[in-house]
Amino acid sequence: DVKVTQSSRYLVKRTGEKVFLECVQDMDHENMFWYRQDPGLGLRLIYFSYDVKMKEKGDIPEGYSVSREKKERFSLILESASTNQTSMYLCASTPPGQGNYGYTFGSGTRLTVV
Amino acid sequence: TQLLEQSPQFLSIQEGENLTVYCNSSSVFSSLQWYRQEPGEGPVLLVTVVTGGEVKKLKRLTFQFGDARKDSSLHITAAQPGDTGLYLCAGDPYNNNDMRFGAGTRLTVKP
Repeated sequence: DVKVTQSSRYLVKRTGEKVFLECVQDMDHENMFWYRQDPGLGLRLIYFSYDVKMKEKGDIPEGYSVSREKKERFSLILESASTNQTSMYLCASTPPGQGNYGYTFGSGTRLTVV
Repeated sequence: TQLLEQSPQFLSIQEGENLTVYCNSSSVFSSLQWYRQEPGEGPVLLVTVVTGGEVKKLKRLTFQFGDARKDSSLHITAAQPGDTGLYLCAGDPYNNNDMRFGAGTRLTVKP
């Protein structure tokens, strides 16, 4: 069964901490994505990557960075966590192509910043 | 303002009823996708519609892509409690495979 695995289901961090959210996929997909999901706002794209060492900003990149050193792993970094970054974070992957392939999502990481 | 507007935001119905949810945009999309998300899980792809006017059926679910490729609808016949979830539509506005999502319709089907 193909999978996108997010390392933590729940995280509680303090304001100002550096936070790492890890995502690993076993489908050999080139494209990987990080979204955050908030009630009433849906999923908003933070960063995405089409290849190793590549990264592109999404719609809300401020306060975040990413790392893709290996094809299967895409990490989201909160440089200095703030309370407004409390959210559900979802990682997804897909083969290359133009929008006709479905995304495979992980189960999400619910991050609370206190 | 959302690129993809979904309505209604919430829907609560009895088992056996029919329902339709909508996904609208002022932009033209080469394709639209529908996902269902259950609590504590990531969204799961239900269908991709590609051609304007296209209708796809998935058991009791019927998906339609508007002729102008700006909107889509999802109709569920004889809803069951197992249909409960958040239904999301998604589209690729820049044709480079980074999808944008609507805020979703949260459906509750009561037994």
